[in-house]
Amino acid sequence: SQQGEEDPQALSIQEGENATMNCSYKTSINNLQWYRQNSGRGLVHLILIRSNEREKHSGRLRVTLDTSKKSSSLLITASRAADTASYFCATPGGSTLGRLYFGRGTQLTVWP
Amino acid sequence: EPEVTQTPSHQVTQMGQEVILRCVPISNHLYFYWYRQILGQKVEFLVSFYNNEISEKSEIFDDQFSVERPDGSNFTLKIRSTKLEDSAMYFCASSYLLDSEHGYTFGSGTRLTVV
Repeated sequence: SQQGEEDPQALSIQEGENATMNCSYKTSINNLQWYRQNSGRGLVHLILIRSNEREKHSGRLRVTLDTSKKSSSLLITASRAADTASYFCATPGGSTLGRLYFGRGTQLTVWP
Repeated sequence: EPEVTQTPSHQVTQMGQEVILRCVPISNHLYFYWYRQILGQKVEFLVSFYNNEISEKSEIFDDQFSVERPDGSNFTLKIRSTKLEDSAMYFCASSYLLDSEHGYTFGSGTRLTVV
């Protein structure tokens, strides 16, 4: 399978805490993307990190990429109840024609 | 904020019937995609479309499926003879580039139920 796989499958934290989700993948990539999905809704793009980048920030999000370990992490700092959602990593795998491989996602629950 | 619009939001159809799912991608985007998500499972790629032709299709995208961009704004997915296992959430997406910093913009999806 070329898909990314997120870990943990579920994460439950209190508001204000940090949430860290991990993603592992199998093939060489030129970028890795993180998406969020609220229950029953579409996917929302959060951040893209390229293979020559090690870390990237966007607001309360911090993404790292370790191509030697074929892994990425998404950190959400100072989480809010509104961050409750499923988070997916997606990789192009070997495709150069638009196909993204999604993992099963991490279900994040943030309690007020 | 530009959006990808999908209609209908819900579609119930009988097995064997044809369905057309409609999408209006973001106007200046060049690449268009269909993905699906069976309940409780991963989001799966179906097809990518660029320059009025299919760029790539997955193993799922067999002869029962087709896509079309009939005019400058709409992008449709047709399932010719639906099966029970086609029941899923279907997402349309678009992007300006294949590796844009903005990633892909997804619509809210069409929930297809085949009975």
